[in-house]
Amino acid sequence: AQSVAQPEDQVNVAEGNPLTVKCTYSVSGNPYLFWYVQYPNRGLQFLLKYITGDNLVKGSYGFEAEFNKSQTSFHLKKPSALVSDSALYFCAVRSPDSWGKFQFGAGTQVVVTP
Amino acid sequence: NAGVTQTPKFQVLKTGQSMTLQCAQDMNHEYMSWYRQDPGMGLRLIHYSVGAGITDQGEVPNGYNVSRSTTEDFPLRLLSAAPSQTSVYFCASREVTSGANVLTFGAGSRLTVL
Repeated sequence: AQSVAQPEDQVNVAEGNPLTVKCTYSVSGNPYLFWYVQYPNRGLQFLLKYITGDNLVKGSYGFEAEFNKSQTSFHLKKPSALVSDSALYFCAVRSPDSWGKFQFGAGTQVVVTP
Repeated sequence: NAGVTQTPKFQVLKTGQSMTLQCAQDMNHEYMSWYRQDPGMGLRLIHYSVGAGITDQGEVPNGYNVSRSTTEDFPLRLLSAAPSQTSVYFCASREVTSGANVLTFGAGSRLTVL
């Protein structure tokens, strides 16, 4: 079975400060890991993914994430948050052996204040 | 290129009524899926399909039927709606053969069952 945990329901950060959204996972084998963002009344948009290779992956809008196999984590980061980054962020995992099923976390609401 | 199109965007049903949520994609994606989004629970997979004529159950399939007669369309049917099916429904597709792994989401369909 595969699972994803996002331990924070909400993250509050001031504009210009670093932003981190946490994600840990459980999956058999090597994981495929993803971050998606959802703006109000919209569908999810892809931000970045880790499949293999460099543990630090860069994605859209200045976001990056670091895959840590020993800690089974894939935290999303942005060095300097913008008010426009306020949204709902989802971490997702898929096992290479379960290619039909993506498992999503519960989501973390990010609020960036001016 | 319209991507993934869902209709209707909003629907109100009475308990026991039936309806179909439509999903169409124009990207020739082999894989299509339906998720429901509920507060604090993230996205949960209902059903998915890996090609025309092939469907499989996800995490929460009870009360929902699907079929895949063409590559483009993947309708979700509620045979006898229940208040527990009040949710926001998302259709998502992805290319399989290239191994891209990234899901493309529709804008969502908000369903209320009274």
